[in-house]
Amino acid sequence: DQQVKQNSPSLSVQEGRISILNCDYTNSMFDYFLWYKKYPAEGPTFLISISSIKDKNEDGRFTVFLNKSAKHLSLHIVPSQPGDSAVYFCAGGRVVSGTYKYIFGTGTRLKVLA
Amino acid sequence: DAGITQSPRHKVTETGTPVTLRCHQTENHRYMYWYRQDPGHGLRLIHYSYGVKDTDKGEVSDGYSVSRSKTEDFLLTLESATSSQTSVYFCAISSPRIRGAVYTFGSGTRLTVV
Repeated sequence: DQQVKQNSPSLSVQEGRISILNCDYTNSMFDYFLWYKKYPAEGPTFLISISSIKDKNEDGRFTVFLNKSAKHLSLHIVPSQPGDSAVYFCAGGRVVSGTYKYIFGTGTRLKVLA
Repeated sequence: DAGITQSPRHKVTETGTPVTLRCHQTENHRYMYWYRQDPGHGLRLIHYSYGVKDTDKGEVSDGYSVSRSKTEDFLLTLESATSSQTSVYFCAISSPRIRGAVYTFGSGTRLTVV
């Protein structure tokens, strides 16, 4: 039962263009969502988050959109840079035992071409 | 990965042997987590802890046990390693928040079971 799905295993984008990474979830109890970026041989690093009470959150070149009715979120990177090449994980979470417990997607490998 | 370290970074072990991975944090965070990352599966929760001596199972806990005798240390033990446990293991920490919590991940331990 995969509660969080990233259906595109990989994506290639030209430098300077927009990258759009998609994520779908099935658990309507999720009320907070995260995006992480992961470089090879490193741990995932937090990128951006969004609460279920919002439909958009922006941080510099990164914007996350949430469509609750469709149970879909997307990460937009504008403009894309070669340093953005990494694996991106989305995660949906809800409170369990006093803290947020997250389910992660399978990841999308983004390659930004110079 | 300021404040969170994993040891060892790499380990090769034989099938049937016990293995213990260590996660150490200096952030005094209450919550700690063990994930494994595998191609096609993303990050999957093995076990988590919400305080000293308080632990619970995640999605893929079979064959694993954990212990937390001090706030700063969270140990993951493979009781009898199998080849299916070859993976990259990540530890994460988080602090309680009213709305949303962000995990900070360690750099990972690459475990190979031969």
